[in-house]
Amino acid sequence: QSALTQPASVSGSPGQSITISCTGTSSDVGGYNYVSWYQQHPGKAPKLMIYDVSNRPSGVSNRFSGSKSGNTASLTISGLQAEDEADYYCSSYTSSSTLVFGTGTKVTVL
Amino acid sequence: EVQLVQSGAEVKKPGESLKISCKGSGYSFTSYWIGWVRQMPGKGLEWMGIIYPGDSDTRYSPSFQGQVTISADKSISTAYLQWSSLKASDTAMYYCARLCCGSYPAYFDYWGQGTLVTVSS
Repeated sequence: QSALTQPASVSGSPGQSITISCTGTSSDVGGYNYVSWYQQHPGKAPKLMIYDVSNRPSGVSNRFSGSKSGNTASLTISGLQAEDEADYYCSSYTSSSTLVFGTGTKVTVL
Repeated sequence: EVQLVQSGAEVKKPGESLKISCKGSGYSFTSYWIGWVRQMPGKGLEWMGIIYPGDSDTRYSPSFQGQVTISADKSISTAYLQWSSLKASDTAMYYCARLCCGSYPAYFDYWGQGTLVTVSS
């Protein structure tokens, strides 16, 4: 199974909104509402930010939101803050009953 | 409090065997899948496989099938990832994580701190 496709980098100024895309196929992203998003700061373990396309775990800021259209899922960060600078990965359930991660996106706060 | 605590960093030579561990606490260990994720230096996350400690049902990514073995000992709430013959390309950080929830457990809600494996002659 191939990794889901994400842009290598996305940047924005403090206060702005940015959107990260995650493109798969009908066998993963498009076939199930089981897309999740993870934030990873350098040297740290990943942290769950969004699950089941658009749900936020307790404690995650409401500045983070998720959506999906067809084979592409998206993570939007609104009111960008310096602490949001990190790597972000999407993940999806697949028709093989496995999971697959995205290629990862580095978010830079200008 | 849910916690996953992994074993410490390892330095091994090519051809050696290795087994790293992940101990769960603060929840019913036998009721959740545990997964393993590889992150090679400077690279992204790769899903390796998962195990259900309740009955040891195991699933592997095609990329890792036959390359590693995932197991669990539910009596001590611990999952394992092992190699029979390490290669230099196995050098990476390895994370365990709990897979959540429902009919299609499809997201990792708790993560271990990671185990750094270095394979070098």
